[in-house]
Amino acid sequence: QQQVKQSPQSLIVQKGGISIINCAYENTAFDYFPWYQQFPGKGPALLIAIRPDVSEKKEGRFTISFNKSAKQFSLHIMDSQPGDSATYFCAAPTNAGGTSYGKLTFGQGTILTVHP
Amino acid sequence: DAGVIQSPRHEVTEMGQEVTLRCKPISGHDYLFWYRQTMMRGLELLIYFNNNVPIDDSGMPEDRFSAKMPNASFSTLKIQPSEPRDSAVYFCASRGGPRGTQHFGDGTRLSIL
Repeated sequence: QQQVKQSPQSLIVQKGGISIINCAYENTAFDYFPWYQQFPGKGPALLIAIRPDVSEKKEGRFTISFNKSAKQFSLHIMDSQPGDSATYFCAAPTNAGGTSYGKLTFGQGTILTVHP
Repeated sequence: DAGVIQSPRHEVTEMGQEVTLRCKPISGHDYLFWYRQTMMRGLELLIYFNNNVPIDDSGMPEDRFSAKMPNASFSTLKIQPSEPRDSAVYFCASRGGPRGTQHFGDGTRLSIL
């Protein structure tokens, strides 16, 4: 069974700063690692995802860094804005085979607050 | 395009009552997931369906919980009898194909008094 440990639980950043959220997984099999963003009163929405054949993926101000040997991946938000204030979840495939047809195990979430 | 639609958005009921949560997945999506979100336990998968068939219900906490998907456009999660510890936000998500993205609804906030 997959375990995903996410840190920190909460993060406060000034506008324009860099927000960094980390996740570690246990299962050795993998093929897809997404990050979800959740605003109050809304469901989680896919922000960005990475497949393990690359070590980094960038979309605008959001970057995922992936360290296969350490079984860790992180989300970096550059030039953080107040509108980025939300809860962020990482996730990893639950199935031992690592194919994304199965379940995702979510981290506990990080509450990000960006001050103006 | 319409996203995943859940109803009701809020439900307040007394302990012991039956609760039914409803979900309409995105048209054409063949996977449907039910999650529960609490502060203590985070986002937990309860059950998921593929082509209307339950595939894995290992996350369903007790026999009081049941889920059905009578057709490709509708699913229900039922709690009978409900207990205060069932209070949580329940999300439904759907996915098109085995390697697609899970799209979440906006959830049902359930309060059991």
